[in-house]
Amino acid sequence: NAGVTQTPKFQVLKTGQSMTLQCAQDMNHEYMSWYRQDPGMGLRLIHYSVGAGITDQGEVPNGYNVSRSTTEDFPLRLLSAAPSQTSVYFCASSSFGVRLGTDTQYFGPGTRLTVL
Amino acid sequence: GQQLNQSPQSMFIQEGEDVSMNCTSSSIFNTWLWYKQEPGEGPVLLIALYKAGELTSNGRLTAQFGITRKDSFLNISASIPSDVGIYFCAGRVRQGAQKLVFGQGTRLTINP
Repeated sequence: NAGVTQTPKFQVLKTGQSMTLQCAQDMNHEYMSWYRQDPGMGLRLIHYSVGAGITDQGEVPNGYNVSRSTTEDFPLRLLSAAPSQTSVYFCASSSFGVRLGTDTQYFGPGTRLTVL
Repeated sequence: GQQLNQSPQSMFIQEGEDVSMNCTSSSIFNTWLWYKQEPGEGPVLLIALYKAGELTSNGRLTAQFGITRKDSFLNISASIPSDVGIYFCAGRVRQGAQKLVFGQGTRLTINP
């Protein structure tokens, strides 16, 4: 059971380049989310998914695309990288147990992205 | 948009001391969550609160869901060196919903 895996761990891009940050979970969780964390700030929600084929925008979605073709994978695409997208990106996987009314949530180790 | 104000921003304490931090919002939340983040890692969920007035413990950690539903509190008793890290609160409007709003974090430093 690997939990939530993210690749790559580090990435440097030039302005205008595109790339995909990968996220995978092996816990069969229905919910997956992408957050960015900037220095001295909390996490801000970029996009989230409540199940395969269903995605929605979070607080800061501009410049990012997502898709969820399988339960396990939730890639984040940067269409045309900008210096303002320099950040640490975290993927999270979660489920909400309706019977017990409790959350189960795990974050990946993060991808540190620098856009020059 | 919704904002969470977390205080204090940082704390410097001696090992063995108790710690208190809080989170306030201008909006009502139905769920409050508390996380710990260590350097180079993702946040780890510590405690989740679902009812106004609820008090929940996880070892030496105790968190409370404020009566007004606009605030939450985290206490750590008898701090130890491994408590060092950044503690985040997060809130959401509807139970089970995936839109979380995070506070700015409280950085805890412990002098042995």
